[in-house]
Amino acid sequence: QKEVEQDPGPLSVPEGAIVSLNCTYSNSAFQYFMWYRQYSRKGPELLMYTYSSGNKEDGRFTAQVDKSSKYISLFIRDSQPSDSATYLCAMNRNQAGTALIFGKGTTLSVSS
Amino acid sequence: EAGVAQSPRYKIIEKRQSVAFWCNPISGHATLYWYQQILGQGPKLLIQFQNNGVVDDSQLPKDRFSAERLKGVDSTLKIQPAKLEDSAVYLCASSSLRGYSGNTIYFGEGSWLTVV
Repeated sequence: QKEVEQDPGPLSVPEGAIVSLNCTYSNSAFQYFMWYRQYSRKGPELLMYTYSSGNKEDGRFTAQVDKSSKYISLFIRDSQPSDSATYLCAMNRNQAGTALIFGKGTTLSVSS
Repeated sequence: EAGVAQSPRYKIIEKRQSVAFWCNPISGHATLYWYQQILGQGPKLLIQFQNNGVVDDSQLPKDRFSAERLKGVDSTLKIQPAKLEDSAVYLCASSSLRGYSGNTIYFGEGSWLTVV
């Protein structure tokens, strides 16, 4: 079993739709949970991060972590064509500077 | 603030040839990472440096890959000899340990390698 599982999609939605992206993980030691967005031929850029369980909201983006289920989600409200990208979940243990473990990424396409 | 710089952006080589990638991290960042991202996969850590010392190189194929970080700043990643399965994007990232909050790992745009 991989440490982090993520459905690669692709996921296609119309503009304005609510998008739900998810990851599951197996290592209960993970404490920091991140979502990165990666445009084609670019490096990943950090979107959201959450420490331990709970919700975090930033504009149209909401990140949720359920440590009891080992399940994390990213919701995108009012999706825009500019949101079309690959979304990577990532996580690490509670040691500062510990390298990230990534999911495979989900490719999202938002059509206008 | 300048981001993580990488070069070259694109490289095509024949199998068994060698290639080197260069990375300049964000100024003041003590930790530097090299990740390998194969098409359709998430990035996988190859090596992590703290200043000029290696913290984790457990997933680095040491028979063909080498990396160094001289003077704790710039880093180079070398592959010799290259195999077809080394075709990937090589991502350099850096982070600062000051006030670590889990959101301080920044990536460069990557060096795209095709081995033919």
